[in-house]
Amino acid sequence: NAGVTQTPKFQVLKTGQSMTLQCAQDMNHEYMSWYRQDPGMGLRLIHYSVGAGITDQGEVPNGYNVSRSTTEDFPLRLLSAAPSQTSVYFCASSFGLAGYNEQFFGPGTRLTVL
Amino acid sequence: KNEVEQSPQNLTAQEGEFITINCSYSVGISALHWLQQHPGGGIVSLFMLSSGKKKHGRLIATINIQEKHSSLHITASHPRDSAVYICAVRGDSNYQLIWGAGTKLIIKP
Repeated sequence: NAGVTQTPKFQVLKTGQSMTLQCAQDMNHEYMSWYRQDPGMGLRLIHYSVGAGITDQGEVPNGYNVSRSTTEDFPLRLLSAAPSQTSVYFCASSFGLAGYNEQFFGPGTRLTVL
Repeated sequence: KNEVEQSPQNLTAQEGEFITINCSYSVGISALHWLQQHPGGGIVSLFMLSSGKKKHGRLIATINIQEKHSSLHITASHPRDSAVYICAVRGDSNYQLIWGAGTKLIIKP
């Protein structure tokens, strides 16, 4: 099993550009989530999904969109990149709700917005 | 004030020392997680506990629900234990996790 995979590993964008961060898992997990990690702060939840076709906002959803058309994939879209979105992004999955179950994390995407 | 506070923020120790990392929280919780983030960035789950104590190899996690406090101990520390250790709690009323900022641990040979 590959676990949780994320692409790309690194990305540099200019302000205003859009892009999609890819996330996939092969563990048949229903719950998937996207976090951002900034220096000196805890992980912050951007969006999450409890199953295919169901998504909801987390703590910091502005500027990001998600969709969940399959159990395996949960892409994160940046609509119009801003320097404030410079961060490391982690995708995670779990068998059930995050707080009740062990989460499995992808390797992260380091995004820089100029 | 953050709902989950970790201390210390940074810890440097010599190989072989006994390590303690603390996590205090201000909300009612039903579970607490400890995770490890490797220098390369990957995050792995170490423990999930709601009471008492759990042990895995040289790692021990304890929680005191009444005092709203958890500790992560590492016995016979080794340079490969160098990582950021993260505490996260699941609140009573919200199934989402509340994350601490992490403790950066460096073990010198």
